[in-house]
Amino acid sequence: DVKVTQSSRYLVKRTGEKVFLECVQDMDHENMFWYRQDPGLGLRLIYFSYDVKMKEKGDIPEGYSVSREKKERFSLILESASTNQTSMYLCASTSGQGNSPLHFGNGTRLTVT
Amino acid sequence: RKEVEQDPGPFNVPEGATVAFNCTYSNSASQSFFWYRQDCRKEPKLLMSVYSSGNEDGRFTAQLNRASQYISLLIRDSKLSDSATYLCVVRLYNRKLIWGLGTSLAVNP
Repeated sequence: DVKVTQSSRYLVKRTGEKVFLECVQDMDHENMFWYRQDPGLGLRLIYFSYDVKMKEKGDIPEGYSVSREKKERFSLILESASTNQTSMYLCASTSGQGNSPLHFGNGTRLTVT
Repeated sequence: RKEVEQDPGPFNVPEGATVAFNCTYSNSASQSFFWYRQDCRKEPKLLMSVYSSGNEDGRFTAQLNRASQYISLLIRDSKLSDSATYLCVVRLYNRKLIWGLGTSLAVNP
């Protein structure tokens, strides 16, 4: 079974703090993604990566950055957290081959106060 | 118009009922299709991929209609545990994934 592990289930941070969300997958997947999910807005793609050291902006990259130094790890960074970044953050990975689906971590619920 | 559209529901059905959801997509460059299930405050989990010829997994049947650009999910003999939000997702040939907002299902005793 594919395992995608997010470092924290719940996180509370203050406005202006730098926040790191870590994600590790154990299936040697090429592709990794960071989404946020908010009520009524569905899943929105923040950043993605198709290979080590590679990153691409998704639909809502503003206020975020990412790092992929190793194939299994994809980190999301909030440079200066703001209250509108309070959300559920979901990391996912896929091999990207053919009909391969996305596998999600169990999410990080971030609250910025 | 959204690229992937789902009826948000909620669908309220009694146990044992058969319920069907549709998901329409607008991009003809759509390569593959999936249904995910998401429980409240949990991550989405793959329910099933959708194949051109249609496919079945126990009580769940998925169909793809490329001509009309929709996919469907049929749940037979609904269980209380089927209560969840069902998300449709389309992968384009350029690898982009487009998610629907989900259809909420409540199965009542």
